[in-house]
Amino acid sequence: AQKITQTQPGMFVQEKEAVTLDCTYDTSDPSYGLFWYKQPSSGEMIFLIYQGSYDQQNATEGRYSLNFQKARKSANLVISASQLGDSAMYFCAMSLNTGNQFYFGTGTSLTVIP
Amino acid sequence: ETGVTQTPRHLVMGMTNKKSLKCEQHLGHNAMYWYKQSAKKPLELMFVYSLEERVENNSVPSRFSPECPNSSHLFLHLHTLQPEDSALYLCASSQTTGDGGTGELFFGEGSRLTVL
Repeated sequence: AQKITQTQPGMFVQEKEAVTLDCTYDTSDPSYGLFWYKQPSSGEMIFLIYQGSYDQQNATEGRYSLNFQKARKSANLVISASQLGDSAMYFCAMSLNTGNQFYFGTGTSLTVIP
Repeated sequence: ETGVTQTPRHLVMGMTNKKSLKCEQHLGHNAMYWYKQSAKKPLELMFVYSLEERVENNSVPSRFSPECPNSSHLFLHLHTLQPEDSALYLCASSQTTGDGGTGELFFGEGSRLTVL
């Protein structure tokens, strides 16, 4: 069965510091995609970054990078130079290359401290 | 204009009411989704429409009834709901890729439903 695990319900980081949000996944499919979403208090889920299972290099998007360790089945999100606006819930998700099924973790609440 | 818009943003209804949630996507995507988000639980996929055909129905009670009249619009009709149905209902869209997978989901801001 497919599963996403986020073990950190809440995290704190000092402004301008880097923070790593953990995500592990479980699937027997060889082809899948890994996503991170940010959900501010307004409710909208905002796509941040994507990593394909066959991608050789870790994905980066501005201050976001995905530390993809395939053998460990982990896809941690690294946010560099944290800003106050980064305070939000962060969700890790996985999709398989068959159909339209996405699997989400329970999320990590990140608070950036001034 | 945001890519995916949901109305209403907030809805309070009694258990005997009938109401509908509306979702519209302006991204030209061919798949639309309804998710339920309850506190401290993973997002629960409710329904998926791909090319206007329902392709997923994750054992959702019949008091929730989806409708997809075209590729840009998705409705969730609500009837005789229970208090435990109170949650944030998120609509999303995506584009199915040529190899059978799908690109990232684009979400609306959600409809916060409270059932009294």
